[in-house]
Amino acid sequence: EADIYQTPRYLVIGTGKKITLECSQTMGHDKMYWYQQDPGMELHLIHYSYGVNSTEKGDLSSESTVSRIRTEHFPLTLESARPSHTSQYLCASSGPGTGEFYGYTFGSGTRLTVV
Amino acid sequence: AQSVSQHNHHVILSEAASLELGCNYSYGGTVNLFWYVQYPGQHLQLLLKYFSGDPLVKGIKGFEAEFIKSKFSFNLRKPSVQWSDTAEYFCAVTPSSGNTGKLIFGQGTTLQVKP
Repeated sequence: EADIYQTPRYLVIGTGKKITLECSQTMGHDKMYWYQQDPGMELHLIHYSYGVNSTEKGDLSSESTVSRIRTEHFPLTLESARPSHTSQYLCASSGPGTGEFYGYTFGSGTRLTVV
Repeated sequence: AQSVSQHNHHVILSEAASLELGCNYSYGGTVNLFWYVQYPGQHLQLLLKYFSGDPLVKGIKGFEAEFIKSKFSFNLRKPSVQWSDTAEYFCAVTPSSGNTGKLIFGQGTTLQVKP
């Protein structure tokens, strides 16, 4: 059972709307990530955070923004949704804070459809 | 740039058949390697990981993978698949140094096991 939660699980929204995808983890992990996943394609890192008030853009350019005000919370926001934003968005976290990297814990994802 | 290549995009096997999924990465330094599995409708789960030591690593559900440094490969194997192994499998890599935690994923391989 994953200790990282994403809401909503599915979202259909009209073009131009502002949306926020929620991601929360209860493991106290300092590192958190957002990936974008399209069918048959690799996961692309779009944002990551190494701790509170730390956010960086990932390898894939994205029009979304993120914030990290609390350790457990890493929301992703699209100010004006477009059909090209239709995708699955996966949130992940990793820990401990220093030392060996154990791999990610993933959330269930949010499947976003912009019409 | 670092990349991960999974050569088998879609594999169909009968139950009890042996499985080998290929994974090659491009990175000159030492790496940590992972295989993740995504069962239908579920979140990504860690199957196994390699950090150092014995290049043959065993994971959950009877899976194993062998790291061959000279070939930059980390192939996943299972001697006898079951219908419940039907899922999507992702290989991933991250540099050992720096503890950035940024995973680079392959495109994924869809495994379909026929009963």
